[in-house]
Amino acid sequence: ETGVTQTPRHLVMGMTNKKSLKCEQHLGHNAMYWYKQSAKKPLELMFVYNFKEQTENNSVPSRFSPECPNSSHLFLHLHTLQPEDSALYLCASSQGGQGAASGSKRYEQYFGPGTRLTVT
Amino acid sequence: GESVGLHLPTLSVQEGDNSIINCAYSNSASDYFIWYKQESGKGPQFIIDIRSNMDKRQGQRVTVLLNKTVKHLSLQIAATQPGDSAVYFCAEKNYGQNFVFGPGTRLSVLP
Repeated sequence: ETGVTQTPRHLVMGMTNKKSLKCEQHLGHNAMYWYKQSAKKPLELMFVYNFKEQTENNSVPSRFSPECPNSSHLFLHLHTLQPEDSALYLCASSQGGQGAASGSKRYEQYFGPGTRLTVT
Repeated sequence: GESVGLHLPTLSVQEGDNSIINCAYSNSASDYFIWYKQESGKGPQFIIDIRSNMDKRQGQRVTVLLNKTVKHLSLQIAATQPGDSAVYFCAEKNYGQNFVFGPGTRLSVLP
């Protein structure tokens, strides 16, 4: 176990549905990330949060809406998705932040197991 | 733009042999790199990292080599075991806390 959990592990949804993915980290980290992993592309960064503030939106379509209520929880709200959005969605966390642990430990990301999303 | 790519998409090795997985990166300003291992049904798992001011770093059965002249990164696994079978990714620290990941190499360990 990496200390990062994701629910659900599998999700099938229609293009008109609204669903949410949940991520929780038990590591006391300050930064959290959403990644998309599909068969045809390398792991793609979607969003980055530092101390609950969004610091990166990697040109992600608005049908994906992240929410970070606190440093331990991260959500990805989904609505009107397309079949090409089917992929494994991975959450990660790292110590991050300014003045956090020195050196490379600040950047080491711990990944959850992912949610396998299928859009029909 | 920056890109991180792998020379070999698949690699098969005999159990007990050493494995070498390669990665090329294009951003000469990158100062930090990580190797991840991803087993089936799991998220990527940190293996080892290296900063750009180093050429080599060793862990338990793993060694990462960095050649900044040719922008090349490699992961060496000694005495490869069946449990090493997985997809291996290199990741390049782009800016801030953001990383660019390579497409991955699938390592298969043959009995």
